[in-house]
Amino acid sequence: DTAVSQTPKYLVTQMGNDKSIKCEQNLGHDTMYWYKQDSKKFLKIMFSYNNKELIINETVPNRFSPKSPDKAHLNLHINSLELGDSAVYFCASSHGDNPGNTIYFGEGSWLTVV
Amino acid sequence: GQNIDQPTEMTATEGAIVQINCTYQTSGFNGLFWYQQHAGEAPTFLSYNVLDGLEEKGRFSSFLSRSKGYSYLLLKELQMKDSASYLCAPWDSNYQLIWGAGTKLIIKP
Repeated sequence: DTAVSQTPKYLVTQMGNDKSIKCEQNLGHDTMYWYKQDSKKFLKIMFSYNNKELIINETVPNRFSPKSPDKAHLNLHINSLELGDSAVYFCASSHGDNPGNTIYFGEGSWLTVV
Repeated sequence: GQNIDQPTEMTATEGAIVQINCTYQTSGFNGLFWYQQHAGEAPTFLSYNVLDGLEEKGRFSSFLSRSKGYSYLLLKELQMKDSASYLCAPWDSNYQLIWGAGTKLIIKP
């Protein structure tokens, strides 16, 4: 059973398109995250949701919007895709957002914008 | 500012021991994670240190010195499957997790 699953795993799309990446976790966690890992391998947090409320919103472009229909799902919608959006996007979850709570990552979504 | 410093790449021999160092500068400190990430895969949890000292977990151990802003991950009896990137990530006082770029570890037979 996959704990944190995200789809699609690979996505190639043209500039200007709108796309979504879906994420679901079956761990019963109440906090979910979206991370971006760029070509230099830095993991940068984009968003986190705790009990359906946004609690971290880093300085990401407003073309990126997280949507959480319930605490088991956190989808990422991206409008007007740009070349610089090409990266690996990881969904993750944890039991609460306190330090030390293990963060479980999904397998990643490889986004390529052409 | 907040900064994580790890070697970019290390090479070691199968069966040997390797130590991956991490120094950090953060606004406050609330513990530190080590994660393993195989190429093309998700990061997976290895250890969490919040108190000074050594935490041992099988072949892997992690050490923390809060006063020095320093941690290391020690891998013993290296296996080929240990070839991966190892990410050091401290928590700051705002409960933000700051990720380093990781150390790519290459294991040779």
